[in-house]
Amino acid sequence: KAGVTQTPRYLIKTRGQQVTLSCSPISGHRSVSWYQQTPGQGLQFLFEYFSETQRNKGNFPGRFSGRQFSNSRSEMNVSTLELGDSALYLCASSLPTNTYNEQFFGPGTRLTVL
Amino acid sequence: AQSVTQPDIHITVSEGASLELRCNYSYGATPYLFWYVQSPGQGLQLLLKYFSGDTLVQGIKGFEAEFKRSQSSFNLRKPSVHWSDAAEYFCAVGEVGDYKLSFGAGTTVTVRA
Repeated sequence: KAGVTQTPRYLIKTRGQQVTLSCSPISGHRSVSWYQQTPGQGLQFLFEYFSETQRNKGNFPGRFSGRQFSNSRSEMNVSTLELGDSALYLCASSLPTNTYNEQFFGPGTRLTVL
Repeated sequence: AQSVTQPDIHITVSEGASLELRCNYSYGATPYLFWYVQSPGQGLQLLLKYFSGDTLVQGIKGFEAEFKRSQSSFNLRKPSVHWSDAAEYFCAVGEVGDYKLSFGAGTTVTVRA
């Protein structure tokens, strides 16, 4: 079974631009979560989607948004990029009946903001 | 609020020696606990998980962890380290219905020959 896939793997943008990252969960998984990983702040939760509904959101500004499609694929968008948005963005998926939130992670998208 | 503490930022261990990584957590309800490993430039791979039951859990790659409720700890161990175990290790905690994981800051493991 294929794992979580994220595209693109690497991205370079300039300040003020916007970016969209994509995540395809493991087949059959309907929950998708997003995390930001930076050397200074570590791994921080961005948001989680299930059946196209956001169920939880982390403490990030409104420039960070996401959505989930009917096929469970998810995208996250960052508008008006800042230098501090440079990070590894990780997507994770879990089963629809997963009460315990066991999450499987993709390889991440490395975003560099210049 | 959930929080996870990994007291050791960096550990160096000789190949063949034992390894123990510490994790302490605080939580509001019934926690479930995980250890993940991350190699440079890669995503996170699940090593093991604890939901309930036996407090000693076995994972992949020869790792095990012990849940101690009285100490709010979930330490990871491996009896004999291989050079390929060099990576960063993250402890994570979640709660039922919270739909997110809270991660520790991570411990980087260096294996010397």
